[in-house]
Amino acid sequence: DAKTTQPPSMDCAEGRAANLPCNHSTISGNEYVYWYRQIHSQGPQYIIHGLKNNETNEMASLIITEDRKSSTLILPHATLRDTAVYYCIVIVGGTSYGKLTFGQGTILTVHP
Amino acid sequence: AAGVIQSPRHLIKEKRETATLKCYPIPRHDTVYWYQQGPGQDPQFLISFYEKMQSDKGSIPDRFSAQQFSDYHSELNMSSLELGDSALYFCASSLWEGMNTEAFFGQGTRLTVV
Repeated sequence: DAKTTQPPSMDCAEGRAANLPCNHSTISGNEYVYWYRQIHSQGPQYIIHGLKNNETNEMASLIITEDRKSSTLILPHATLRDTAVYYCIVIVGGTSYGKLTFGQGTILTVHP
Repeated sequence: AAGVIQSPRHLIKEKRETATLKCYPIPRHDTVYWYQQGPGQDPQFLISFYEKMQSDKGSIPDRFSAQQFSDYHSELNMSSLELGDSALYFCASSLWEGMNTEAFFGQGTRLTVV
């Protein structure tokens, strides 16, 4: 699976959009970009995933660049409860086909 | 909606004892994954099962074994426990229906070895 690079930490004001970047320059054509988050000591929570096109769900939006070498997770109106570690994971064929490799996520702190 | 159920939520064992952790996947999910998260660390993949067969294996110690049963629930058996086995253990489940699926995690079992 392709390696990902994320900033170690970010801050965001409550009510503002949080934009979390992820670099995956070695991604291959059949690899999906997944985002999970982990709120302190809870089970990781699925947020969103995509292959090529931008995606949006009730939690967030995922913007994938045209060359697929990077992506941005957008939380449109961050709340204090969005404070968590955010993981960008690239995996072949989705999670049906293998394990998730967690590492070097971004600690997002949302402040009042 | 039903979620992944793990039991017990907390477990305290002494060194050299054994422990069994249980995971009940979301109904209809046929794939189960186990992860270990030590203090201050990221979750690390241990092992996964699809349709009761081991599908992938990570850094799982030989002292650990796991299986998936006919009702798709899974158990992680840990023997000769060591202090370093103290961690959060997460189970996740997904549906093996081809591409484009996601895994859902349980709330974990916190194992403390004393």
